[in-house]
Amino acid sequence: NAGVTQTPKFQVLKTGQSMTLQCAQDMNHEYMSWYRQDPGMGLRLIHYSVGAGITDQGEVPNGYNVSRSTTEDFPLRLLSAAPSQTSVYFCASTRQGPSNSPLHFGNGTRLTVT
Amino acid sequence: GQQVMQIPQYQHVQEGEDFTTYCNSSTTLSNIQWYKQRPGGHPVFLIQLVKSGEVKKQKRLTFQFGEAKKNSSLHITATQTTDVGTYFCAGPTQGGSEKLVFGKGTKLTVNP
Repeated sequence: NAGVTQTPKFQVLKTGQSMTLQCAQDMNHEYMSWYRQDPGMGLRLIHYSVGAGITDQGEVPNGYNVSRSTTEDFPLRLLSAAPSQTSVYFCASTRQGPSNSPLHFGNGTRLTVT
Repeated sequence: GQQVMQIPQYQHVQEGEDFTTYCNSSTTLSNIQWYKQRPGGHPVFLIQLVKSGEVKKQKRLTFQFGEAKKNSSLHITATQTTDVGTYFCAGPTQGGSEKLVFGKGTKLTVNP
């Protein structure tokens, strides 16, 4: 049972480049979410999804797009990377909403934008 | 918007000393969750508290939820080097349970 799998683990981008951070879970969880973690800032919610075809914004959605075409996958897209998006990104999932069941986190993607 | 505040931001203890981190919300919470993140790792769920005044224990860890459901604490008795990491509290936003707001965490270091 792999849990939540994130790829890549590390990525370096130049300002203006685009990329997609991949997230997949094999636990049949309905809820998936993306957080970014910056020093001293804790975990901040970017986007989340309560099921296939449904997405919504979190605290810091600007500069990021998401889609949820299947229950298993929830990719995060950076259309034009900026240095302010240098961060560690975590994908997390849970069976229902996060209030009812704990979040399972992936191992993270460390992104550097130069 | 809703805020979840944690203090202290950092705590350094000698092995064997006790440790406590506090979490305060600007609004009443339906429940509160605690997570631990080891250095270089990802957050891992520890526990969820739901009832007013609830106290739960996991070996040397004691979790409390305040009577007003606006604050919580995590106390570790006789810290060990394996307790090193950052401890986060998190609570769902008001008006729905679809967003989990995290505190900024307390980073614990333990001197052996």
